[in-house]
Amino acid sequence: QKEVEQDPGPLSVPEGAIVSLNCTYSNSAFQYFMWYRQYSRKGPELLMYTYSSGNKEDGRFTAQVDKSSKYISLFIRDSQPSDSATYLCAISYSSASKIIFGSGTRLSIRP
Amino acid sequence: IAGITQAPTSQILAAGRRMTLRCTQDMRHNAMYWYRQDLGLGLRLIHYSNTAGTTGKGEVPDGYSVSRANTDDFPLTLASAVPSQTSVYFCASSDLDTQYFGPGTRLTVL
Repeated sequence: QKEVEQDPGPLSVPEGAIVSLNCTYSNSAFQYFMWYRQYSRKGPELLMYTYSSGNKEDGRFTAQVDKSSKYISLFIRDSQPSDSATYLCAISYSSASKIIFGSGTRLSIRP
Repeated sequence: IAGITQAPTSQILAAGRRMTLRCTQDMRHNAMYWYRQDLGLGLRLIHYSNTAGTTGKGEVPDGYSVSRANTDDFPLTLASAVPSQTSVYFCASSDLDTQYFGPGTRLTVL
């Protein structure tokens, strides 16, 4: 079993829709949860990170962690064509530990 | 401030040839990493270095070597390239909370 599983998509939604991206992980010892965004032919960039269960908001983006279910989500409100990218979830035992990445979900926002 | 630079941007290489991918960061981060990214497999860690003078093996180290002579540079060497090493290679460095990635090198081994 992979340590983190992510649906590869592709996912295509109309502009303005709410997008939900999800990952599951296998080990309850993971404590640090991240979402990276990767535009085509670019390196990944950190979008959000959180240590705890619950929600963390940053503008149109909300990261949600449910440690009891080992489930992490990223919600994008009022999605824009500029949000079209691959989104990678990532997990780690701590902020200083090596990171394990999901395989990424390719998202396309249709104008 | 450039962040992380990688060279070359892309390369086509004959099998059996030796190749070094270059990575330089100007953020003075202690930790640096090399990943490969393949469709459906995500980012997989090849080698890492927690500080200058030390290196460690990641998930897929076979066929690759690294060195860390100073804080800024972290080259990745393929001693004898094979077609299965065709991939996009990303170098990254990190402070306490965040990994910063370079733009990547697209390598094709024929």
